[in-house]
Amino acid sequence: DAGVIQSPRHEVTEMGQEVTLRCKPISGHDYLFWYRQTMMRGLELLIYFNNNVPIDDSGMPEDRFSAKMPNASFSTLKIQPSEPRDSAVYFCASSFDTSGTDTQYFGPGTRLTVL
Amino acid sequence: ILNVEQSPQSLHVQEGDSTNFTCSFPSSNFYALHWYRWETAKSPEALFVMTLNGDEKKKGRISATLNTKEGYSYLYIKGSQPEDSATYLCAFMGSARQLTFGSGTQLTVLP
Repeated sequence: DAGVIQSPRHEVTEMGQEVTLRCKPISGHDYLFWYRQTMMRGLELLIYFNNNVPIDDSGMPEDRFSAKMPNASFSTLKIQPSEPRDSAVYFCASSFDTSGTDTQYFGPGTRLTVL
Repeated sequence: ILNVEQSPQSLHVQEGDSTNFTCSFPSSNFYALHWYRWETAKSPEALFVMTLNGDEKKKGRISATLNTKEGYSYLYIKGSQPEDSATYLCAFMGSARQLTFGSGTQLTVLP
């Protein structure tokens, strides 16, 4: 398996623009997680899905952020409009279950810079 | 807000030294404790998942212990090598089944 795939790997955009980050989880995994990593706050969970259904989005910073999972092999995280404080590395991870005993497999991340 | 703390924040050791660091977490509503290894410019890679009080896990020169009653886990590296240089993250999973990550211990092994 290719592992969790994220695109793009790097994104530079201007304030006010829409940004869409993409993730393909490992085949067969039914949990998908979006994380954001910043110097100030470390690695924090934004939202997670189970069987394509959003379970908890309490970590999503504000209404400018939205996430979708239209099918088992694809998810998007959208920021509209983007702001400089959104600059961070965004990770997607997937797991087979979240019973607590299953590890999460992380993608390579998307480094977002908002100018 | 869950408090997951790791210490020390950073650590420099000489090649061949053994080292250990700490993760402390809430002792209530415990479900699992995960350890990840995160190399610069890469993504976090799972090391261990620990669920039972008294659990000990080992992977090569790296091992971990778990005390859920007092809310701490230790990660040990025996005979550190330069390739062990990375940030080691612990993550607490409580009854909500979400991972809350610590800020990590950045280990540098000097040749």
